[in-house]
Amino acid sequence: DAGVTQSPTHLIKTRGQQVTLRCSPKSGHDTVSWYQQALGQGPQFIFQYYEEEERQRGNFPDRFSGHQFPNYSSELNVNALLLGDSALYLCASSLQGYTGELFFGEGSRLTVL
Amino acid sequence: AQKITQTQPGMFVQEKEAVTLDCTYDTSDPSYGLFWYKQPSSGEMIFLIYQGSYDQQNATEGRYSLNFQKARKSANLVISASQLGDSAMYFCAMRVQRGYQKVTFGTGTKLQVIP
Repeated sequence: DAGVTQSPTHLIKTRGQQVTLRCSPKSGHDTVSWYQQALGQGPQFIFQYYEEEERQRGNFPDRFSGHQFPNYSSELNVNALLLGDSALYLCASSLQGYTGELFFGEGSRLTVL
Repeated sequence: AQKITQTQPGMFVQEKEAVTLDCTYDTSDPSYGLFWYKQPSSGEMIFLIYQGSYDQQNATEGRYSLNFQKARKSANLVISASQLGDSAMYFCAMRVQRGYQKVTFGTGTKLQVIP
């Protein structure tokens, strides 16, 4: 049973560029959430996707956008990168209506120079 | 809004000893779940234990137990018989159980197990 998979694992970008991160949820899961974790901090909620729609959004600017595909996989896009966007981006999957734990991938570590 | 507070940035524990990691939370919702996750240096968040707000008994999972005190809004994690592999960041988190609700995390506690 495949868990949550994320790609790429590491990437380096320069200010002003755009980045796309990808996530495949755990088999059987239909909901994907994205989190940003800055160094030394706890994960911060970016947004949640279910049925290909953004269902809830955290306090992040419009530069952060996402998409969910019919197979439940998801992408996180960040435009006009800033130095402060450097972080570990975590994808978490769950089954809508299930109130238990989220299952996380190993994350994509983004460095913005 | 939900809030999680972890007041211990770092903790040390001797191998084979027990350790308690503190967590307090704030929410006005009566139905919620509390979680603890472990994050090794690799970055992956590993689920440890879950407590529902209506659960009468404290949750236990192997060497992990959750000391749930609802009136005090605390959900401390107790790790018994610490092992060197327990060295990691530990995050307390919560989610209210209605609608499309996010999981809110605390700032974490870095645990170091000393041989």
